[in-house]
Amino acid sequence: GAVVSQHPSRVICKSGTSVKIECRSLDFQATTMFWYRQFPKQSLMLMATSNEGSKATYEQGVEKDKFLINHASLTLSTLTVTSAHPEDSSFYICSARAGTSGGRQYFGPGTRLTVT
Amino acid sequence: KQEVTQIPAALSVPEGENLVLNCSFTDSAIYNLQWFRQDPGKGLTSLLLIQSSQREQTSGRLNASLDKSSGRSTLYIAASQPGDSATYLCAVRRVNTDKLIFGTGTRLQVFP
Repeated sequence: GAVVSQHPSRVICKSGTSVKIECRSLDFQATTMFWYRQFPKQSLMLMATSNEGSKATYEQGVEKDKFLINHASLTLSTLTVTSAHPEDSSFYICSARAGTSGGRQYFGPGTRLTVT
Repeated sequence: KQEVTQIPAALSVPEGENLVLNCSFTDSAIYNLQWFRQDPGKGLTSLLLIQSSQREQTSGRLNASLDKSSGRSTLYIAASQPGDSATYLCAVRRVNTDKLIFGTGTRLQVFP
């Protein structure tokens, strides 16, 4: 099946700094990528949807200036958490979908962000 | 607004048992429904995807059914094994949208 990778798998940063998370589709071209966050023992919440070459569409309540998403190519999307705070500590998961709107989403392994 | 609920929230069983995990959703206008497995600290593995026109899908010991009119799906796990221990998530995709709405999850533990 299709493979999606994320880097890094874990990151610890100090409060006030920015951190970038990469999401790559390894063996297919992802026209659409999705970013989710997951708090401990809770389900996934969609943060934003990005289409290659377009601005991301953010869900209600997600600050677009804080969570910068770039989908510059068909195999790479990045999420940058700017001016991170401890409450941004979470598990961030991306997914990627190829081509048609009926296509399945393939999920990355996730990135554990800890802000100290 | 689509809401997805899973029952039970947690389940602990001896190996060998046949299990039923339940997923309910409030809006029947769905495109498809998917069942995922998530191991602790890991991403999601897709198990089964049921299109809105289908009633069930099977893969090995797993069988998922869909009753769109009643807003329900069940995941049946036959002859459970300790390796099945994980959190199981269902997610629905509404028509005319890309979004997946995830359920609350069922944490399954199968002990030897």
